[in-house]
Amino acid sequence: SQQGEEDPQALSIQEGENATMNCSYKTSINNLQWYRQNSGRGLVHLILIRSNEREKHSGRLRVTLDTSKKSSSLLITASRAADTASYFCATDGGYTGTASKLTFGTGTRLQVTL
Amino acid sequence: NAGVTQTPKFRVLKTGQSMTLLCAQDMNHEYMYWYRQDPGMGLRLIHYSVGEGTTAKGEVPDGYNVSRLKKQNFLLGLESAAPSQTSVYFCASSYGPGERFFGPGTRLTVL
Repeated sequence: SQQGEEDPQALSIQEGENATMNCSYKTSINNLQWYRQNSGRGLVHLILIRSNEREKHSGRLRVTLDTSKKSSSLLITASRAADTASYFCATDGGYTGTASKLTFGTGTRLQVTL
Repeated sequence: NAGVTQTPKFRVLKTGQSMTLLCAQDMNHEYMYWYRQDPGMGLRLIHYSVGEGTTAKGEVPDGYNVSRLKKQNFLLGLESAAPSQTSVYFCASSYGPGERFFGPGTRLTVL
């Protein structure tokens, strides 16, 4: 079952513009992570935000988390053509049994054009 | 460091055939995972391991078996492949509950 749902499913912007992607989830979490996947490649971890954090930055990335609304957003500022990829949020609900389970959403496909 | 590697990269099977996907990591991670990725479904956890000699079921374990005989390797087996197992398979590893490190994937087609 999907925990995180990204919105929009697809986004097309021009180079230099900002891109915002949203993620909503259903149950309580320990942390939320964002990953990037270039076409035909594996996922690459971008940023992790814990449930007691509200905002986190990493280079051109800004992630916010609102646990009361069960939502997160990923902002990419000054986008570049190289940012073209699919972006996934993943929620970590904490340990269940022997390990924590990371549940992925269906992703937002970002296209950055010159 | 190579990170997480997967072999093979591509494979075509006929229904009923068996195969093993190999995942190797050189980061000394305790945890390893197998996911499958299907269009519109995101990634779903098949099986995982929290250490050498241990395995556990994930979200979609039916039709798959795994083994973790060595800490650096995690094998995913399909005993009798079915068309529903056509997918892209990703292996990942981690120190603990945080960041996962993913391999490049194996694209499997079952005819």
